Amino acid sequence: GAVVSQHPSWVICKSGTSVKIECRSLDFQATTMFWYRQFPKQSLMLMATSNEGSKATYEQGVEKDKFLINHASLTLSTLTVTSAHPEDSSFYICSAWGERREEEDEQFFGPGTRLTVL
Amino acid sequence: DAKTTQPTSMDCAEGRAANLPCNHSTISGNEYVYWYRQIHSQGPQYIIHGLKNNETNEMASLIITEDRKSSTLILPHATLRDTAVYYCIVSFGGFKTIFGAGTRLFVKA
Repeated sequence: GAVVSQHPSWVICKSGTSVKIECRSLDFQATTMFWYRQFPKQSLMLMATSNEGSKATYEQGVEKDKFLINHASLTLSTLTVTSAHPEDSSFYICSAWGERREEEDEQFFGPGTRLTVL
Repeated sequence: DAKTTQPTSMDCAEGRAANLPCNHSTISGNEYVYWYRQIHSQGPQYIIHGLKNNETNEMASLIITEDRKSSTLILPHATLRDTAVYYCIVSFGGFKTIFGAGTRLFVKA
């Protein structure tokens, strides 16, 4: 069945460095992927919509220059957290819509990436 | 903003049915009701979805009221592993999903 993977599953970095997180759709093509961020004991917050071959659409309040999104192929979207700071420490989750049964879509979520910025 | 309202938390005894309500009074005619759950430190997991009719699968049952303004997710025999945050979402499918706060379900032995 359709699966979304993320890499790495966790990462620790120093303040000021950049971190890249990969999101892949396995066994299906995803023209659109979504990136979420989740702080402890809070719900998922949508950051941006990643569109294959075009610019990402960012939600209000999300800095596009800080969270760079590249959707270079139908199965891969990357999120780069540039000049990371401790307040960027969070759980980052990607998702993509795929087809569970004919003509009925389902949103598949990746396992998440835990980012800790020291 | 999320288009659904759910209780903040619920308790359920192991082996009993867990009934999780959701209000979605502004749902439009073509929007589906989706349920996901999130176990600690994992990505959300799909449970079930429906449009108008009640649905059942190996995990749960979904009861949607006739006016579609509310629904109930039923876990027929809750186990300790069902302890999670459950999210009720309305969506056309294929578009961005806005999560509400969800219901934190505690299954107790």
